[in-house]
Amino acid sequence: GAVVSQHPSWVICKSGTSVKIECRSLDFQATTMFWYRQFPKQSLMLMATSNEGSKATYEQGVEKDKFLINHASLTLSTLTVTSAHPEDSSFYICSARQDGRMGEKLFFGSGTQLSVL
Amino acid sequence: GQNIDQPTEMTATEGAIVQINCTYQTSGFNGLFWYQQHAGEAPTFLSYNVLDGLEEKGRFSSFLSRSKGYSYLLLKELQMKDSASYLCAVKNYGQNFVFGPGTRLSVLP
Repeated sequence: GAVVSQHPSWVICKSGTSVKIECRSLDFQATTMFWYRQFPKQSLMLMATSNEGSKATYEQGVEKDKFLINHASLTLSTLTVTSAHPEDSSFYICSARQDGRMGEKLFFGSGTQLSVL
Repeated sequence: GQNIDQPTEMTATEGAIVQINCTYQTSGFNGLFWYQQHAGEAPTFLSYNVLDGLEEKGRFSSFLSRSKGYSYLLLKELQMKDSASYLCAVKNYGQNFVFGPGTRLSVLP
């Protein structure tokens, strides 16, 4: 199947700093990528939809100024958590949508565990 | 709106068969997906149904009934490594994928 690379796998940072997470589709072009947040033992919560060349669409309750998303190319989307605080500690996962003759499929990155001290 | 429901937890024995159900309410249905997620890892794709019926893929099978808003994932010959969360996700025309709450499956020896 298609491969989506997410980096870094884990990051520890001090409160008030910013953290950038990258999501790359390695063997296909993805006009649309998604960013999720997941708390322990809970399902994925969609944060925003990232569209190449345009502004991201944020879900209700997600602060767009805090979670900056950039989708500058068909293979790369980035999520920047600005001025991170301990409550932002979570598992962040990206996915890329692949369009094919069998319909659309999502392929996920490996996730980023963020810990804010 | 959309609503997806799955059992929260299930337990089964190694070598047995387990069926994980998913019910959904949505408009403009355009496919149902099952994903497996081990703790601390990202989900991995298992199956995709857009038409009614059963799709078989090795030890895993997935069934869909669009008229009933119902799907199930069937796991045969359970192995310890199958202990994971199983996520049901629905795709609508022009909208995002919506994930269910997930079912945590524990396989016991």
